[in-house]
This record gives sequence, C-alpha cells and structure tokens, in this order.
Amino acid sequence: KAGVTQTPRYLIKTRGQQVTLSCSPISGHRSVSWYQQTPGQGLQFLFEYFSETQRNKGNFPGRFSGRQFSNSRSEMNVSTLELGDSALYLCASSLDRGTGANVLTFGAGSRLTVL
Amino acid sequence: QQQVKQSPQSLIVQKGGISIINCAYENTAFDYFPWYQQFPGKGPALLIAIRPDVSEKKEGRFTISFNKSAKQFSLHIMDSQPGDSATYFCAASIGSGTYKYIFGTGTRLKVLA
Repeated sequence: KAGVTQTPRYLIKTRGQQVTLSCSPISGHRSVSWYQQTPGQGLQFLFEYFSETQRNKGNFPGRFSGRQFSNSRSEMNVSTLELGDSALYLCASSLDRGTGANVLTFGAGSRLTVL
Repeated sequence: QQQVKQSPQSLIVQKGGISIINCAYENTAFDYFPWYQQFPGKGPALLIAIRPDVSEKKEGRFTISFNKSAKQFSLHIMDSQPGDSATYFCAASIGSGTYKYIFGTGTRLKVLA
C-alpha cells in the first residue's frame, strides 16, 4: 500500500513569491493534516481537511491556506513568502473512522527554502 | 496551557541500556498521547500511543508510562539499539475527531554501539 506522497520534496523560492505543495494521502484516507516543522518551533499544526472541508486550523497567518479535493488529495499554499517560512512541511493522513483511532501517517515532507 | 514540554533535548545511551524521555502537559482536556519516531529525511512515524484511562502501555521494547495526576507521561525504550537512534516526539490531542496534535520539541536519541 502506497504511503503518503508529498511533492515536491525540495524547493527553493525567494521572498515575496508564493508556493503550492501537494499531498496524496493513503488510499481510503479521508482526513489530511498539514504541519510545519522547524528546528526552533518543532512541529506545529497548520490545518486539517476532511471531505473537502477545513475542520481545524492552527495559529498561522492568512498567507497559509489549503484545500482538499474530492479524491482526498490536498494542497497547501503559502503566499508572499518570508525567510521564516523556510521549513519542512509535513502532510499526514488518517482513515478517520470516528472511533478514536487517531493514527496519523506522515509523508516525508516538502522542504522549502526561502532566500 | 496548550504546550507539551519534552525533556531531555538530547540523550546518549549505551547499547542495551534504557532510554527514558519525559513529557509534561497542562491541559487536562488532552485525552490522547502518541509518541512519534523520526529518522533523518523521513516524516515522523507513530511508535506507540496511550489514553489517560490506563497507566502503562507496552509494545515490544517500547513502554509508555502515564501519570494522570502529575500530568506527565514518558517513553521507555528497553534494550536500546543503535537502530533506535532517531528523534522522538511526544504529542497530545483532544477528542477522537481531531488531528490537531500539540507536539513536544523532540528528543534526539543516540545509541552507542
């Protein structure tokens, strides 16, 4: 069974640009969450989508946005990039049966460098 | 109140020894406590998880000890192996329908051969 696939794996952007990251969840998984990982702040929750609806949102500015498609694939977008946005962006998916089995499976991440 | 404090930041253990990583939380509404293991270049992977209705959970060499009254939980790795060298994160969340995890800052474990 294929895992969570994130593309691109690495990318370099300059300040002011925007970026779109893609995530394909495990087949059958309907919930997709996004996290930002930095050495200083660790793993921080960005947002979570379920059935194309944002179900939860972290404390990030509006420059960070996301969406989920009908096939559960998800994208996140960061506009007007700042140096501090350099991070590993992790996508995670879950089967979400609503039974309390909160097992998140993470992808390998997209490493964004902002120059 | 939403923080999960993790210690130590780094840990060096001899092969065969016991690795212990501690986490503490303030929010008593947290009801799910997973531990994740991350190798360089990889995403975190679920290692073991516990809910507050049990005080201990064991899976192979990995054990979570949970102290509800102290609001603390810890990961014990018995018979630590060089292959266990990785970064470990504790986390906490509220409710069964959310994936908004609050992660600890991570512990970099190195097991010496």
